[in-house]
Amino acid sequence: TQLLEQSPQFLSIQEGENLTVYCNSSSVFSSLQWYRQEPGEGPVLLVTVVTGGEVKKLKRLTFQFGDARKDSSLHITAAQPGDTGLYLCAGGSGNQFYFGTGTSLTVIP
Amino acid sequence: DVKVTQSSRYLVKRTGEKVFLECVQDMDHENMFWYRQDPGLGLRLIYFSYDVKMKEKGDIPEGYSVSREKKERFSLILESASTNQTSMYLCASSVWGGYTFGSGTRLTVV
Repeated sequence: TQLLEQSPQFLSIQEGENLTVYCNSSSVFSSLQWYRQEPGEGPVLLVTVVTGGEVKKLKRLTFQFGDARKDSSLHITAAQPGDTGLYLCAGGSGNQFYFGTGTSLTVIP
Repeated sequence: DVKVTQSSRYLVKRTGEKVFLECVQDMDHENMFWYRQDPGLGLRLIYFSYDVKMKEKGDIPEGYSVSREKKERFSLILESASTNQTSMYLCASSVWGGYTFGSGTRLTVV
């Protein structure tokens, strides 16, 4: 059973454009994480959000946790080729997390 | 720099072989996990461990076993490799708040 749905599945944009990817679930999570994975490598943690409505910024990346703690979004401003990768969300509680299938982002120079 | 190290980046094994995938972390983390990653299916949890000599089944444990004799080492064992176990295998360790993943082992079973 896939607890977390990510959309879109694939996204290809030009350098400099803005984009938003989404992570949705019917389950409530105590925290939610976002990871970026480059080809041939393991995922790397970008951020953890724990409070409903929480917004965190990491340079050009803005992460938001939904008020009901069931969904999250990642917004990238002025995308760069270095942002290319697979973006994964993971929701859970305590020490165990469930992963979405990811959004594969390609930023074209 | 903290690290999770997986012993092999690429492996090719024959059907029926017993396969060992090794994972070592240097962060003194209690929790360690094994996932497999397949296109369209995302990361699926195979086994996890919260302490030495402790193991718990994840969502897809069939055909796998694990060993955690020391805190820093978590091994995944494919008892008799099959072609449907061809996949990317990811090891991770954690304390509360996030996983640190290894670089993965791409296993091909022929």
